Amino acid sequence: DSGVTQTPKHLITATGQRVTLRCSPRSGDLSVYWYQQSLDQGLQFLIQYYNGEERAKGNILERFSAQQFPDLHSELNLSSLELGDSALYFCASSSSDTNTGELFFGEGSRLTVL
Amino acid sequence: AQSVTQLDSQVPVFEEAPVELRCNYSSSVSVYLFWYVQYPNQGLQLLLKYLSGSTLVKGINGFEAEFNKSQTSFHLRKPSVHISDTAEYFCAVSEYQGGKLIFGQGTELSVKP
Repeated sequence: DSGVTQTPKHLITATGQRVTLRCSPRSGDLSVYWYQQSLDQGLQFLIQYYNGEERAKGNILERFSAQQFPDLHSELNLSSLELGDSALYFCASSSSDTNTGELFFGEGSRLTVL
Repeated sequence: AQSVTQLDSQVPVFEEAPVELRCNYSSSVSVYLFWYVQYPNQGLQLLLKYLSGSTLVKGINGFEAEFNKSQTSFHLRKPSVHISDTAEYFCAVSEYQGGKLIFGQGTELSVKP
């Protein structure tokens, strides 16, 4: 158990809909990272937050947004969903905003868009 | 920007045989290097990391990796694999102070009895 909790574990929805994925980092970790894993794109970095502020941005679509709340949990919002958004979305956390150490990954939220 | 190339998408090997999973990276600045493992239906967990110092890094479960700056490689090795090592392995790189980890496409290691 990494200590990172992601909900929901599975989600099935229709095209055009909006979903929210939630992540609770390990106790004491200030950084949260979101990754998308799909068969064709592999593991893609989406965005990083550190103590409530956006720290780095990757290949995140404009239809996607994220935030980190004062209690350090984070949410990833996916809107106007398309079939190609079907993927496994991972959240990871670390204790600092400089990546010299270990990222702790949750078990992921599997999104299926029909 | 940095990138990571894992040279083999699948590596089948027999139990107790040695294995090497290859990883090359590209970056214009100094980097940190990592290997992560993903077991079926689980998240990723760190196997080992290279930050500085000795170029031979030892990790969990008997794995080790060697950083070769001139060849920009960070290959993962294990002298004798077990069935339980069957998993997907990801090489990753981050720039000094970069704060984000860039992953390779993954190598599926399949250990057969």
